Amino acid sequence: NAGVMQNPRHLVRRRGQEARLRCSPMKGHSHVYWYRQLPEEGLKFMVYLQKENIIDESGMPKERFSAEFPKEGPSILRIQQVVRGDSAAYFCASSLGSPEQYFGPGTRLTVT
Amino acid sequence: DQQVKQNSPSLSVQEGRISILNCDYTNSMFDYFLWYKKYPAEGPTFLISISSIKDKNEDGRFTVFLNKSAKHLSLHIVPSQPGDSAVYSCAARGNSGGSNYKLTFGKGTLLTVNP
Repeated sequence: NAGVMQNPRHLVRRRGQEARLRCSPMKGHSHVYWYRQLPEEGLKFMVYLQKENIIDESGMPKERFSAEFPKEGPSILRIQQVVRGDSAAYFCASSLGSPEQYFGPGTRLTVT
Repeated sequence: DQQVKQNSPSLSVQEGRISILNCDYTNSMFDYFLWYKKYPAEGPTFLISISSIKDKNEDGRFTVFLNKSAKHLSLHIVPSQPGDSAVYSCAARGNSGGSNYKLTFGKGTLLTVNP
């Protein structure tokens, strides 16, 4: 399967725990984007990364959220000390740098 | 402030007829527009795109029209099929800050195609 892979598909965390979401881009894609979707809302941009570099994190909350895309391995979105408001679907997309971005199936985070 | 708006939360059409999904935007700096289709519990699937320098792009049953003066685009699906039933989201690339990679999405329109 050459598509964007995300895992886990579902993640349940208690308030205060850490959530780690993983994304493997399509083969050959070096541009990775993370988006968040709250219920009844459209997808919202969070962060844009290229290998080993954060290009734009303007859509990501300043506290508790971080992202990385190491030279080897998947991109990671990390949420520390999760709160109920972090419950959402988190989507990763990748591209070759063209306008078209290709999305993974998403990780549904539930904070209890 | 919603820069991309899809004012119809839902649309229902008969199989074989045309489906027209609409999208309005406010930011004249957007340079590329895309339509995505989404089934429940899945990620968005890219359908078709159009550059701001064009007014029409066609791919099989799907055609996107762009009216820059009205800041309006639409997706036409002809003929509609039951398998087209999904949420359709309009997205625009770029913003007033000059970044040309982030997509701004509308809330989506649920299309139901009845057999």
